[in-house]
Amino acid sequence: QVQLQESGPGLVKPSETLSLTCTASGYSISSGHYWGWIRQTPGKGLEWIATIYHSGSTYYNSSLKSRVTISVDTSKNQFSLKLTSVTAADTAVYYCARGGVATIWPFDYWGQGTLVTVSS
Amino acid sequence: QSALTQPASVSGSPGQSITISCTGTSSDVGGYNHVSWYQQYPGKAPKLIIYDVTSRPSGVSNRFSGSKSGNTASLTISGLQAEDEADYYCSSYRKSSTPVVFGGGTELTVL
Repeated sequence: QVQLQESGPGLVKPSETLSLTCTASGYSISSGHYWGWIRQTPGKGLEWIATIYHSGSTYYNSSLKSRVTISVDTSKNQFSLKLTSVTAADTAVYYCARGGVATIWPFDYWGQGTLVTVSS
Repeated sequence: QSALTQPASVSGSPGQSITISCTGTSSDVGGYNHVSWYQQYPGKAPKLIIYDVTSRPSGVSNRFSGSKSGNTASLTISGLQAEDEADYYCSSYRKSSTPVVFGGGTELTVL
């Protein structure tokens, strides 16, 4: 059974960098599938942020691309998200999820989500 | 404002069928058979219940079905049960620089 677990600070100051890691278990990231980050805010619902393939190919939401970096560490079976210059608008529950075999969708396994609050 | 349009809420009585719509454009819903639906309970992560418009993942009840006509996709839940009360989100591939978009979500109330 695939399991995903997000980790990282729950509180980030404005203008700083949000860093989250997703650790996969029950499945090797290097075996395939795309791996992504999605966030959820009360006002905007679900928003896809970025996706990475085990080979390192990356895909970004164009509205966030200038501030987002997604990376993968297959040796640790983890992938990570960095979001720079955060503001209160970046306060959300952040989910990591497994995408498709040949496409970055659909998302068939999700982490439990982690709330990140941007506040001084 | 979400990329795909869903009704904010729908309701139905146990045993009835309900349909949730998801309206997009020819660049997403209408142009490709890559619509997914997710079910989300409060405080929980979304769960995939339909992908590629009509396909169900293993373990998902056959009371859930998907369809599409033009730029609008639909999720139908038949034989409504109390446990179906949740939020439902549609998602689609979009031919653009942002290839995955979501709807704003629909709150289903079982009366």
